Amino acid sequence: GQQVMQIPQYQHVQEGEDFTTYCNSSTTLSNIQWYKQRPGGHPVFLIQLVKSGEVKKQKRLTFQFGEAKKNSSLHITATQTTDVGTYFCASGTSYGKLTFGQGTILTVHP
Amino acid sequence: NAGVTQTPKFRVLKTGQSMTLLCAQDMNHEYMYWYRQDPGMGLRLIHYSVGEGTTAKGEVPDGYNVSRLKKQNFLLGLESAAPSQTSVYFCASKKPGPSSDTQYFGPGTRLTVL
Repeated sequence: GQQVMQIPQYQHVQEGEDFTTYCNSSTTLSNIQWYKQRPGGHPVFLIQLVKSGEVKKQKRLTFQFGEAKKNSSLHITATQTTDVGTYFCASGTSYGKLTFGQGTILTVHP
Repeated sequence: NAGVTQTPKFRVLKTGQSMTLLCAQDMNHEYMYWYRQDPGMGLRLIHYSVGEGTTAKGEVPDGYNVSRLKKQNFLLGLESAAPSQTSVYFCASKKPGPSSDTQYFGPGTRLTVL
């Protein structure tokens, strides 16, 4: 089945530093979704990317979908303590099924 | 709207015991899903349903059964619990349509099997 690899597994940053997490697939993806999960919480949808080379921004968050639709990234500029949590990418397939990456756990030190 | 709710929030079972996890959604979504989340492995799909009375296997279905007797409810059953089923279980739902539509997740059930 389709697999999505996500790196790094952990990232520790000082408040104000930037953060990036990457997702890679060996196959072409129909779309990629990004979710955020706060500690003890549930995944919450952030954004979806569908088009080759697509770039979307949400305030300090920038999401990219690769030209070949095999990779994606999430970049956070000037992290804040409210950014802590686990960030997941997920590939959508038939009937809305999602294949998740392993997630990147972000810790922000004040 | 309550969105997606899950019952119970926590449960401890002994090996061999059975239990049912209940997921309910009030958004009139056709599609519903059960995932399990284990450390370092992301979320993995157990079973899913594309409508009332229909269910299908996901990535890790062994040891679980599901039922969708009503559109708003999706039940996950463990007939004989094993320690390997210790996990956090999330239910999700979405509207039918392109796979790019977002899924809405419930708060999760933390299950420990001793």
